Amino acid sequence: ETGVTQTPRHLVMGMTNKKSLKCEQHLGHNAMYWYKQSAKKPLELMFVYSLEERVENNSVPSRFSPECPNSSHLFLHLHTLQPEDSALYLCASSHLYPLPSGMSTDTQYFGPGTRLTVL
Amino acid sequence: DAKTTQPTSMDCAEGRAANLPCNHSTISGNEYVYWYRQIHSQGPQYIIHGLKNNETNEMASLIITEDRKSSTLILPHATLRDTAVYYCIVRVGALSGGSNYKLTFGKGTLLTVNP
Repeated sequence: ETGVTQTPRHLVMGMTNKKSLKCEQHLGHNAMYWYKQSAKKPLELMFVYSLEERVENNSVPSRFSPECPNSSHLFLHLHTLQPEDSALYLCASSHLYPLPSGMSTDTQYFGPGTRLTVL
Repeated sequence: DAKTTQPTSMDCAEGRAANLPCNHSTISGNEYVYWYRQIHSQGPQYIIHGLKNNETNEMASLIITEDRKSSTLILPHATLRDTAVYYCIVRVGALSGGSNYKLTFGKGTLLTVNP
């Protein structure tokens, strides 16, 4: 596997369910991100993890709970979601400053996304 | 990060060059120009970025004007698979120092490549 992978690609869940989204990056990056893309809206940054510590939480409701056990894996735990939470959830990774020796870019690379439908 | 302005949509014939413009008149000296594209319901794909020199890679070329207030993404031989929304993003890069993880996507340009 190369790049950024996400599983599952599609998820349908009821409002009382608990589910988790998984993201894995194979690029040796030290930062990982969760974004949300609702229909006809721009991407919204949800969470940022740098060196496994959360550095950004963009006023996201507590029914979304991120977890970053190591620099290669990122999870988004979901519980008691609402129908308006239906969206494409995207994971991304990058280097963050200070960049590793020899690197000159902090470009973010995205996974394919998980299409979430809440019934 | 500086704001960008892009046309809402563009059409291009298959096999021809697609030239996508972007205005960023308030760009600062330490801000890079990034281009991503998003094919329907997929994750955004990084294309190219630059600071002030023109850049080329296997996907596209990026032409930045001398005053850096606008840029053009060029897909030299557009194919049907290039139909996507193209985003021009201006942001401070890591080489400017400090952590900048913010990547603000606007509405982009829907490029439709026609057979």
